[in-house]
Amino acid sequence: RKEVEQDPGPFNVPEGATVAFNCTYSNSASQSFFWYRQDCRKEPKLLMSVYSSGNEDGRFTAQLNRASQYISLLIRDSKLSDSATYLCAVNTDKLIFGTGTRLQVFP
Amino acid sequence: GAVVSQHPSWVICKSGTSVKIECRSLDFQATTMFWYRQFPKQSLMLMATSNEGSKATYEQGVEKDKFLINHASLTLSTLTVTSAHPEDSSFYICSARVPSGHYNEQFFGPGTRLTVL
Repeated sequence: RKEVEQDPGPFNVPEGATVAFNCTYSNSASQSFFWYRQDCRKEPKLLMSVYSSGNEDGRFTAQLNRASQYISLLIRDSKLSDSATYLCAVNTDKLIFGTGTRLQVFP
Repeated sequence: GAVVSQHPSWVICKSGTSVKIECRSLDFQATTMFWYRQFPKQSLMLMATSNEGSKATYEQGVEKDKFLINHASLTLSTLTVTSAHPEDSSFYICSARVPSGHYNEQFFGPGTRLTVL
């Protein structure tokens, strides 16, 4: 079993849609959790950290469920510019990435 | 966020040559840096953890004699791909952990695209 698993997608959604990504992790000792965004042929950029109580940043909401060992990312009112690959990352003593979920927002 | 630079951004070399990639933290000191590799349509795979002033820690399956890591200062880590072969062609990305970040955030350099002919 992979340490961090994501649905690779792609998710094709119209502008304005709400889309949710899930990510599961296998190491219960994981300490911190993140969502990164990666555009084609670019480095990952930190989108948001995921806190135990859940957190929101504009149209983006991240949640953590330690009991079930998964994290989620919700994007509301999707924009064309949201098209990218979204990587979840889980940290113990090192940061492990999921394979990423590809999102394509169309007009 | 914190700024991490990488040089070169891309390199093309002949098989059998060695290539050095530099990773710098520009506005903070990084005792720990990380080197990742990403093949097309795949996720980032951690290659090694680079610790300032000590030996790097390599992930399983990564040859330490082929991928030489030097972290000689708090702002610079280098990765040298020795005797590169076409199968080493990949996107190499470094990251640095922000020491003051209580949540252990990591910030990435822009990556180096290596093509071995």
